[in-house]
Amino acid sequence: TQLLEQSPQFLSIQEGENLTVYCNSSSVFSSLQWYRQEPGEGPVLLVTVVTGGEVKKLKRLTFQFGDARKDSSLHITAAQPGDTGLYLCAGPTYGGATNKLIFGTGTLLAVQP
Amino acid sequence: KAGVTQTPRYLIKTRGQQVTLSCSPISGHRSVSWYQQTPGQGLQFLFEYFSETQRNKGNFPGRFSGRQFSNSRSEMNVSTLELGDSALYLCASSLGGMSSYEQYFGPGTRLTVT
Repeated sequence: TQLLEQSPQFLSIQEGENLTVYCNSSSVFSSLQWYRQEPGEGPVLLVTVVTGGEVKKLKRLTFQFGDARKDSSLHITAAQPGDTGLYLCAGPTYGGATNKLIFGTGTLLAVQP
Repeated sequence: KAGVTQTPRYLIKTRGQQVTLSCSPISGHRSVSWYQQTPGQGLQFLFEYFSETQRNKGNFPGRFSGRQFSNSRSEMNVSTLELGDSALYLCASSLGGMSSYEQYFGPGTRLTVT
């Protein structure tokens, strides 16, 4: 069974600090996606990484896909209160009669003003 | 372009009852997937519908079922509700397939079973 483990589970930081969230698996993924979910809303796709070693930037967010395509990281520079939310990584799995997107365990980020 | 909409947003039901949730995908999207989100289990895949056919199914009991209409709108039904079914139910739409294309989520339906 493919699993995506995220760390840390919870993170509370002050505005302006930097942070990194990790998404790890023992399995290879063809691609990984990162989502952010705010309270009372559904997840919103931030980025998809598809090539081992790939780095993508979205303003203050930097996403990296591991060379072996088993892990990914999300780095936020100078965090702002608007970055608060649940960050989820997700990857597609293909197995027999069921293809599905599995989600990581999530990292709950709180940025204090 | 309008986003994914889900109705109702909140629902309270009693054990043993059944419930139907609705999802309208983004115009042009043919795939609709359903997920259950709970604090303990996180986001778990229920099933995916594409062109009115169930294409993929997660590991949930047969009490959970769904369907998709010709206009791509989808409904999810849970029969004989249990306390453990209390969760946020999310649907997501995509152009082609849930595992190959970017998914766009609705705001979810918060189901509470008492």
